[in-house]
Amino acid sequence: SAVISQKPSRDICQRGTSLTIQCQVDSQVTMMFWYRQQPGQSLTLIATANQGSEATYESGFVIDKFPISRPNLTFSTLTVSNMSPEDSSIYLCSVAGTLYSEQFFGPGTRLTVL
Amino acid sequence: AQSVTQLGSHVSVSEGALVLLRCNYSSSVPPYLFWYVQYPNQGLQLLLKYTTGATLVKGINGFEAEFKKSETSFHLTKPSAHMSDAAEYFCAVSEGGGTALIFGKGTTLSVSS
Repeated sequence: SAVISQKPSRDICQRGTSLTIQCQVDSQVTMMFWYRQQPGQSLTLIATANQGSEATYESGFVIDKFPISRPNLTFSTLTVSNMSPEDSSIYLCSVAGTLYSEQFFGPGTRLTVL
Repeated sequence: AQSVTQLGSHVSVSEGALVLLRCNYSSSVPPYLFWYVQYPNQGLQLLLKYTTGATLVKGINGFEAEFKKSETSFHLTKPSAHMSDAAEYFCAVSEGGGTALIFGKGTTLSVSS
C-alpha cells in the first residue's frame, strides 16, 4: 500500500484568494488523481495528474480554476484559484496501487472559504 | 460512460442485524468495483474490491460483496451489524487498473442498540 500525506490538513481562506494543496506519496506512482467532496456529498473527480504533461480535467473543471502540477512521480499540487464559498470542500488526492487494482487516498484537505 | 447508483441514501439497522447496502453500476467494459468506508472526519478506507475471478469477495471488518454481472450489481453485506459500523459507505467503479474511480452518492449506515 501507499502512504499519502496532504498539506495543509485544513484551512480557512477569504474569497478571491488562492490555496495550493500538496500531495506527497512515499513511493513512486504512475497515476495520481484529485477529487473533491463537497459537504454531505460524494467524491467527484477533478483531474488526473500526469507526470511531465498537463493534467487531464473532467467536465466542469478547468485548468484556470484548478491548476495542477506533477513535477515527479511522488508529488503533486492542486491550486484552488480565486476562491468562492462554493469551493468549500474536502480535496483528496489518490494514487493507483502498484498492481493498479485499487486506489489509496490521502487524508484530505478541508477547505472553508468565507 | 460509467456510473454508480446506490439505492438508499440512509440505511438504519439494529445491532446484530443484517447489513445490506445496495450498489448498481453501469459500465461498457468489465468493471473494477470497490466499496469504501468513511468514518466521520476521516479519510476513505478500502473495504473490499472486485477485479476479476471469484465473484464473492470478502473484505475487512466482516463485510463481503458479490459481483453479479447479470444484475449489474455489487451489493455490500455484513451478517451482524456492530455499532462501530456506523459510517458513510461509497460504492465506486473504474474501467480497470490505474483509471479514475466513479463514486456513487454514498449511503449513511446508522446502527442502533
